[in-house]
Amino acid sequence: DADVTQTPRNRITKTGKRIMLECSQTKGHDRMYWYRQDPGLGLRLIYYSFDVKDINKGEISDGYSVSRQAQAKFSLSLESAIPNQTALYFCATSDPDSTYEQYFGPGTRLTVT
Amino acid sequence: AQSVSQHNHHVILSEAASLELGCNYSYGGTVNLFWYVQYPGQHLQLLLKYFSGDPLVKGIKGFEAEFIKSKFSFNLRKPSVQWSDTAEYFCAVNYLTYTGRRALTFGSGTRLQVQP
Repeated sequence: DADVTQTPRNRITKTGKRIMLECSQTKGHDRMYWYRQDPGLGLRLIYYSFDVKDINKGEISDGYSVSRQAQAKFSLSLESAIPNQTALYFCATSDPDSTYEQYFGPGTRLTVT
Repeated sequence: AQSVSQHNHHVILSEAASLELGCNYSYGGTVNLFWYVQYPGQHLQLLLKYFSGDPLVKGIKGFEAEFIKSKFSFNLRKPSVQWSDTAEYFCAVNYLTYTGRRALTFGSGTRLQVQP
């Protein structure tokens, strides 16, 4: 079984709709992250959480919100989706004792029309 | 803000050719450095990492990277590539954020295409 799972894997939605991407992990890590990947731009950090009550904005948090429902779950929401949020979204986890190595989920491909 | 530069955006090689992908970072403090690989349709996987000690680090599948502090570089190398190395490669550096916490910043990636 995968250690980091993401749902849905693919989603097409319309401009203005609210959408939630979910991430679950079985690694027992405290730290979780959301990134988006765009061609030619690499991965950019949206939000990160170091525990259930510790949530921080990344470099591109505008238009996004997150919820850390439990140690194992970290959701990303687009309150009102816009076309330039079309991207591949990755969730990742890390163990504070592992010197910052991150473990990635399979990604969610989101298209906003 | 910290930045990571990968100057080679798209590299095409024949099998058995040698590979070197450049990575430079801007952070002046203590860094942890990583190379991740993303095979077509798959998620990112760790290829290798540097934290301290020997600046020449070896990773999986015959890859290695050399940390040169004076040049702020962490170039990835492989003596002889295979078709199965076709993938996108990302350099990343661990840095200190404004919250006092550390996070990773990624380069824009290098797409490697190996021709049989």
